[in-house]
Amino acid sequence: KQEVTQIPAALSVPEGENLVLNCSFTDSAIYNLQWFRQDPGKGLTSLLLIQSSQREQTSGRLNASLDKSSGRSTLYIAASQPGDSATYLCAVTGGGNKLTFGTGTQLKVEL
Amino acid sequence: NAGVTQTPKFQVLKTGQSMTLQCAQDMNHNSMYWYRQDPGMGLRLIYYSASEGTTDKGEVPNGYNVSRLNKREFSLRLESAAPSQTSVYFCASSLIGSSYNEQFFGPGTRLTVL
Repeated sequence: KQEVTQIPAALSVPEGENLVLNCSFTDSAIYNLQWFRQDPGKGLTSLLLIQSSQREQTSGRLNASLDKSSGRSTLYIAASQPGDSATYLCAVTGGGNKLTFGTGTQLKVEL
Repeated sequence: NAGVTQTPKFQVLKTGQSMTLQCAQDMNHNSMYWYRQDPGMGLRLIYYSASEGTTDKGEVPNGYNVSRLNKREFSLRLESAAPSQTSVYFCASSLIGSSYNEQFFGPGTRLTVL
């Protein structure tokens, strides 16, 4: 059974700092990996999707990497802003196109 | 283009009552999914429908039924609600067979069972 772990569970950083969120998964037989953002009381917004054959994806200040063989992904956020405060979820797609989610990292960017 | 929509946004039920959560997508996706989100548990798959006319159980299907009404709509029914079903429910859709297989999520239904 696929298990996805995200570390740390919570993170607080000052504005402007670069930061890295970590995601690990136990079964490397994945189709892709998605990073989502969730604001309090809201739905999920897809940030980046990395295919299993890719090593990284970039969107603006966000960069996600994937090392399938070691079961790891990182989400790098450059020059963090208070508007980046949210919970970040990692999810892997396995057989049947089913997503398995981690429990998330709650990020707070302080002024 | 509304994406994935869900109704209702909020609902309070008493134990034993029934209700149906509605989900619709306008992206011409073939696959649809129902998840529940609980504190400390992450999102877990309840049921999914890989294509119109098919449904399959996910990780936590007990106490739920689903109907894929047509390509656009996928409903989740609680026949006899229990307090353990208090949760936030998310519907999602994707296009299996596309290059990315990305899932898109609705805004969620917040359900409380007393």
